[in-house]
Formats: sequence, C-alpha cells, structure tokens
Amino acid sequence: DIQMTQSPSSLSASVGDRVTITCRASQSIGSYLNWYQQKPGKAPKLLICAASSLQSAFPSRFSGSGSGTDFTLTITSLQPEDFATYYCQQTYTTLTWTFGHGTRVEIK
Amino acid sequence: EVQLVESGGGLVQPGGSLRLSCAASGFTFSRNAMSWVRQAPGKGLEWVSSIGGGGGNTYYADSVKGRFTISRDSSKNTLYLQMNSLSAEDTAVYYCAKDDFLTVGYYYYMDVWGKGTTVTVSS
Repeated sequence: DIQMTQSPSSLSASVGDRVTITCRASQSIGSYLNWYQQKPGKAPKLLICAASSLQSAFPSRFSGSGSGTDFTLTITSLQPEDFATYYCQQTYTTLTWTFGHGTRVEIK
Repeated sequence: EVQLVESGGGLVQPGGSLRLSCAASGFTFSRNAMSWVRQAPGKGLEWVSSIGGGGGNTYYADSVKGRFTISRDSSKNTLYLQMNSLSAEDTAVYYCAKDDFLTVGYYYYMDVWGKGTTVTVSS
C-alpha cells in the first residue's frame, strides 16, 4: 500500500505569511496527487488535483507542485479564510485511495 | 446543483450493523465512481471504500475488508455502505464523495462531498 506522509502536522502562521506544506509518497505516484481543504465541522473541499491543477473556487495564492514522491502545497499570502486543515491524497492506485494525516494551519 | 446527502448514521452497539445511504442528484449517477471516506473524532480523513460506475468493481481499505460492503442502485441514484461487526474504532463521520477524473491521464479526484453522517459505536 502507498503511504502518504505530510509535514508539518501543524503550523502557526500570520496573515500575509507564505506557507508551505509537503507531502511525500512511499513510492513514485507520478502526478496522481490531490490536495483538499477542510474547515472545522465541514466536509473537505477539493483544492488541487493532478498535483498542480487549481480548482476554480480557490484563489491563485494557492499552488501545488511536485511529481514522483515529493509534493508541495504553497499559499503565498495567507488570508484569514485559509486557516484550515489540508490533506494530500494519492490516486495512483485506481479507486484505492490514501490520504495524508493532514496539516493544520493555525493563526499565530 | 450537484448534491450528495448521507443518511443512516446513529448509535449502534459493538458487534452491530448499520447501513448508510447517500442520495445523489444533479449528475448522471451511473457514470461516476463513488467513494466513502470517514473521519474519526479529532482525526484525519480515512478512505473506506469505492465502487466503479457500473457497480461491478469494489474496493476496500484493509481496516474494513470483510466487514463492510459498498453497493449502488442507479435506479435510485443512491450509494450504500453496509457495515457489519462494528467496533469502537469505526466511530466516525462518514462522507460519501463523487469520484471524477481528468480524461487525459485518468487523474482521479473527489470533487463533490456530502455533509456526512455520524456513526457512533458504543455500549
């Protein structure tokens, strides 16, 4: 099974900060990597698919990069509405998904 | 509007059974694979099970294999999760999600999620 390791597990940042979250796969998964944003008490929302394709509902301060085993989610200028938990997900193995353990972005 | 609405959650005793439902609307249900994802209190997301659009192919996490059964009824636009031999470790919010993919490269993603239904396993 493919394991997904996210780091850090949590971080504190201020509005306007640049934030980087990493996700590492236990084997190469090409670009079969998605990112989701989840706010407390709400369902997750798809943020980025195929490692770097930003969903239209999200602003361009979000970006994703990487391929193979190492991936990055970057928020260039953190806004109050961005405080949430972010999860990566591998979709290399069709319909047998794995999520990372999540990164909680908190207000400093 | 594309929508998924889960139901069927509740309190069940250890060893008991429960069947979750997910009513889909706003898209051609039979065309899409569907998945169940759960989230234990204070924990992260855990993929539970998926089913292909035709219903013929099913997939399960090791943690539920042999106890849970995913199915779908395209005439009712409804996804199901039959859960047997429940234990405290199955306590979670259960989300259903619509799977879709980019046609170039078959990059799958979960683009629509329900609000979830809560399952509590306790005596």
